[in-house]
Amino acid sequence: ETGVTQTPRHLVMGMTNKKSLKCEQHLGHNAMYWYKQSAKKPLELMFVYNFKEQTENNSVPSRFSPECPNSSHLFLHLHTLQPEDSALYLCASSQSRGGRGTEAFFGQGTRLTVV
Amino acid sequence: GENVEQHPSTLSVQEGDSAVIKCTYSDSASNYFPWYKQELGKRPQLIIDIRSNVGEKKDQRIAVTLNKTAKHFSLHITETQPEDSAVYFCAAVGNQGGKLIFGQGTELSVKP
Repeated sequence: ETGVTQTPRHLVMGMTNKKSLKCEQHLGHNAMYWYKQSAKKPLELMFVYNFKEQTENNSVPSRFSPECPNSSHLFLHLHTLQPEDSALYLCASSQSRGGRGTEAFFGQGTRLTVV
Repeated sequence: GENVEQHPSTLSVQEGDSAVIKCTYSDSASNYFPWYKQELGKRPQLIIDIRSNVGEKKDQRIAVTLNKTAKHFSLHITETQPEDSAVYFCAAVGNQGGKLIFGQGTELSVKP
């Protein structure tokens, strides 16, 4: 257990559905991330939030919409996804200290299948 | 932005041999270089890291070296064991903090 919890662990959704992934961290970290992990592009950074403010959006399609209501919670809202969006979605958190990188802790991931 | 290249993509060694995985990065301002191990079906977990003010760091059978001039860093595993079999990822973090960019991963297989 790393202190980062993701739900659900598995999700199957149709292309017209709307669903949300949730991530929660109890480590007191101020930065949270969403990564997409697939066979083609392992650990691809999607979004970064520092102190609840989005600081990075790596050209992610608008069908993925992140939300960070506070420094402990991170959501990824999904709508009208494509089959190629099927992947493992990993959340991570770290403590950003004045520009110095620190260890990131990962959640267990959500295995998403789009049918 | 930062780009991290990792080689090889797959590596197979005999138990007891050494394994070396190499990474290069593009952003000279990067200051933190962690290595993660991901076992099948599990989340990535940190195994060792190094900061830009250090050239080498060792922890039992694993070591990491950093060459800032050439912008590359390497993971060395000695006396490999079957339980070392996993996917290993290198990463780099820039001076703006937080943005962890990963290499493509190396699937290490240690044969008994």
